[in-house]
Amino acid sequence: ETGVTQTPRHLVMGMTNKKSLKCEQHLGHNAMYWYKQSAKKPLELMFVYSLEERVENNSVPSRFSPECPNSSHLFLHLHTLQPEDSALYLCASSHGTAPGEKLFFGSGTQLSVL
Amino acid sequence: KQEVTQIPAALSVPEGENLVLNCSFTDSAIYNLQWFRQDPGKGLTSLLLIQSSQREQTSGRLNASLDKSSGRSTLYIAASQPGDSATYLCAVRPRQAGTALIFGKGTTLSVSS
Repeated sequence: ETGVTQTPRHLVMGMTNKKSLKCEQHLGHNAMYWYKQSAKKPLELMFVYSLEERVENNSVPSRFSPECPNSSHLFLHLHTLQPEDSALYLCASSHGTAPGEKLFFGSGTQLSVL
Repeated sequence: KQEVTQIPAALSVPEGENLVLNCSFTDSAIYNLQWFRQDPGKGLTSLLLIQSSQREQTSGRLNASLDKSSGRSTLYIAASQPGDSATYLCAVRPRQAGTALIFGKGTTLSVSS
């Protein structure tokens, strides 16, 4: 275990559903990230939070809504998703956002949108 | 725009072989390069991080090299074992503003016993 826990591990949802992905880190880190891993594509950064403030948003559609209530928890709220949003969603954390920081990843949530 | 390419996409070797995984990147303006391992259905585990001023890093049977001027890195795995079977991802941290790691698509390694 890396100290980053994601739930649920698997999620199947219809295009009209609303669901949330949860991430919790037990490492005392100050930065948390959401990444998307689609089949046959490189990992893509979605959002970055540092000290509970969103510091980066990489042109992600508004149907993905992140929330960081404290430095240990990160959520990704999902609504009216499309089938092309099916992917592995990975959460990561780091001590800070300096260039030399190592990222620690969770096991991911495998999302299928029907 | 920085792009990271990993060759080959997949590799199968018998146990005990030494092997090399390749990573290339298009823009040499990077802070560092990182190699990750991903097991099926799992997250990523950081293996080695090489700062831009360094030439190589070693951890056990793994050795990663960095040639920033040519935009290349290699991950050398000595005496491969079936437990090394996984997907290996290379990622660079560009010097441009922002915090994103730019990833390659990975090389899927299969080591047979």
